[in-house]
Amino acid sequence: GAVVSQHPSWVICKSGTSVKIECRSLDFQATTMFWYRQFPKQSLMLMATSNEGSKATYEQGVEKDKFLINHASLTLSTLTVTSAHPEDSSFYICSAVTSTSTDTQYFGPGTRLTVL
Amino acid sequence: GQNIDQPTEMTATEGAIVQINCTYQTSGFNGLFWYQQHAGEAPTFLSYNVLDGLEEKGRFSSFLSRSKGYSYLLLKELQMKDSASYLCAVLPYQKVTFGIGTKLQVIP
Repeated sequence: GAVVSQHPSWVICKSGTSVKIECRSLDFQATTMFWYRQFPKQSLMLMATSNEGSKATYEQGVEKDKFLINHASLTLSTLTVTSAHPEDSSFYICSAVTSTSTDTQYFGPGTRLTVL
Repeated sequence: GQNIDQPTEMTATEGAIVQINCTYQTSGFNGLFWYQQHAGEAPTFLSYNVLDGLEEKGRFSSFLSRSKGYSYLLLKELQMKDSASYLCAVLPYQKVTFGIGTKLQVIP
């Protein structure tokens, strides 16, 4: 149980374009999902906390107009990187918590974004 | 603020036992996690400690001392597939803070 999927697993795009990444909880309802970014040889950095039906809470230093997060249902959250630039190239990982285990996060497989 | 320290790299021999330490300083504490992350993949959950003591799960055990701000992950009977990064993560209140991770290399 507690499986989280992400799509796509990798994406290459041109500078200036927008990219949407989906995060789905497959066998449970996730009231809260988290979006992380991980640069090479660094740890996971929390970007934002996404709650179903409400606006996402962004961490300090994360541009909410650049990283659009939508959590329209209990099983789906999306992250859209708008006007992507090469410095946005990173490994983006989502996680979700279940209603019965609100502390343990289950991670999606991650999406590797490369902006040319 | 939050501060989590782990060794950056460790090497151990197949079949041996290795202990990965983690010390933390956080404002508030609601639990400590260990995650395993293979290169290019997302982390996978290993353990969760909220009370002092040792939690054993197969070849993996995790220990916590809240008074010392200290935890360790113990891996027994090391296998080559255990080569990965091991992330210590602390839950102060609602937002988990991750350490940079310990890259473990298992050699034959």
